[in-house]
Amino acid sequence: QQQVKQSPQSLIVQKGGISIINCAYENTAFDYFPWYQQFPGKGPALLIAIRPDVSEKKEGRFTISFNKSAKQFSLHIMDSQPGDSATYFCAASIRGSNTGKLIFGQGTTLQVKP
Amino acid sequence: DTGVSQDPRHKITKRGQNVTFRCDPISEHNRLYWYRQTLGQGPEFLTYFQNEAQLEKSRLLSDRFSAERPKGSFSTLEIQRTEQGDSAMYLCASSFTPPTGSHQPQHFGDGTRLSIL
Repeated sequence: QQQVKQSPQSLIVQKGGISIINCAYENTAFDYFPWYQQFPGKGPALLIAIRPDVSEKKEGRFTISFNKSAKQFSLHIMDSQPGDSATYFCAASIRGSNTGKLIFGQGTTLQVKP
Repeated sequence: DTGVSQDPRHKITKRGQNVTFRCDPISEHNRLYWYRQTLGQGPEFLTYFQNEAQLEKSRLLSDRFSAERPKGSFSTLEIQRTEQGDSAMYLCASSFTPPTGSHQPQHFGDGTRLSIL
């Protein structure tokens, strides 16, 4: 029940295209869903995050769509650029918990072809 | 604000040796987390500190692992009698949680990559 399942494992998109990464969770107590971007040899960097009281959040070319009833959320990268090539992780946590620990998905390796 | 700093960036050691990693969180961040990331996987929670108190440890943290955060500032993670399976990236993250209110985003360092020969 603590798992977050992420798909696809890898994704190849042409420059200018839309990249879509999906995540699903089981624990309905999760109430914070961040996305992290990780380049080789670097730590994860927070990209964008959403709480379940909204269905969509947009920051620049990055949009999170959230479906509470389906317990799914997704990251859309519009106008994908070669510089977006990285590994993306969805995560979930319970903000009101003592820990606030993040449960991560397995990651999606995105390659944007020029 | 220089971000979360981890040292060393890489550590190569022989099986059975002890290793220690250091994490310097963002100043004034009261929460510090340790995660482990193996190749092709997402980070997995190991333990966290609220100021100097270690408040939760994952089942992944065997008795060979110990973490400290003296005075609520930097933290160290020590692995004793290292095993092949300990090879991974060890990530540190910090955040600030106000006395009342929900947790704030976690900011990660670039990790320490441990290789066991």
